[in-house]
Amino acid sequence: NAGVTQTPKFQVLKTGQSMTLQCAQDMNHEYMSWYRQDPGMGLRLIHYSVGAGITDQGEVPNGYNVSRSTTEDFPLRLLSAAPSQTSVYFCASRTGQGSYNEQFFGPGTRLTVL
Amino acid sequence: DAKTTQPNSMESNEEEPVHLPCNHSTISGTDYIHWYRQLPSQGPEYVIHGLTSNVNNRMASLAIAEDRKSSTLILHRATLRDAAVYYCNGMGGGADGLTFGKGTHLIIQP
Repeated sequence: NAGVTQTPKFQVLKTGQSMTLQCAQDMNHEYMSWYRQDPGMGLRLIHYSVGAGITDQGEVPNGYNVSRSTTEDFPLRLLSAAPSQTSVYFCASRTGQGSYNEQFFGPGTRLTVL
Repeated sequence: DAKTTQPNSMESNEEEPVHLPCNHSTISGTDYIHWYRQLPSQGPEYVIHGLTSNVNNRMASLAIAEDRKSSTLILHRATLRDAAVYYCNGMGGGADGLTFGKGTHLIIQP
């Protein structure tokens, strides 16, 4: 299994540009999540999904959109990038609703907005 | 929601044991306590989890207080490769189980 994959690894945007961060998992996990991590800070939850067709907001959802059309993919869209969105973005997945199950994280996408 | 509290940073010497504390006083009775670590420039990775009993695996041990309001991650012999940020998480349902605190930055001195 490849686990959780994220593309691209690095991205530079200009203010106002839009882009989509890709996340895919091949473990048939129901839960998928997006986090951002600012320098020296912890992880903050942006959006999450408990299954295909179901998404919900996390702690910091403003400026981001998500959709979940398949179990495998959970893209994160920045509609109009702002310098405040400069961060490292991590995608994660886990199986089932039970709190027994651990999360698996991707390697991250480092985004800079100029 | 199961909010967690951890010290911002801790320092230890190589080859000595390390005890990383976490308070999770609002955790519900069915929520597992998970620990993750994040090495520099990497995504977080799972370390260990438990419900009520102490747990051991190849990476660490987890000691859970009898009232479940706190837990301690134990690294028995720290190495330089253990320098990382360690997060504890009370894995409930919904967004609560996906929310992390700021973690503890563990510094290992040679």
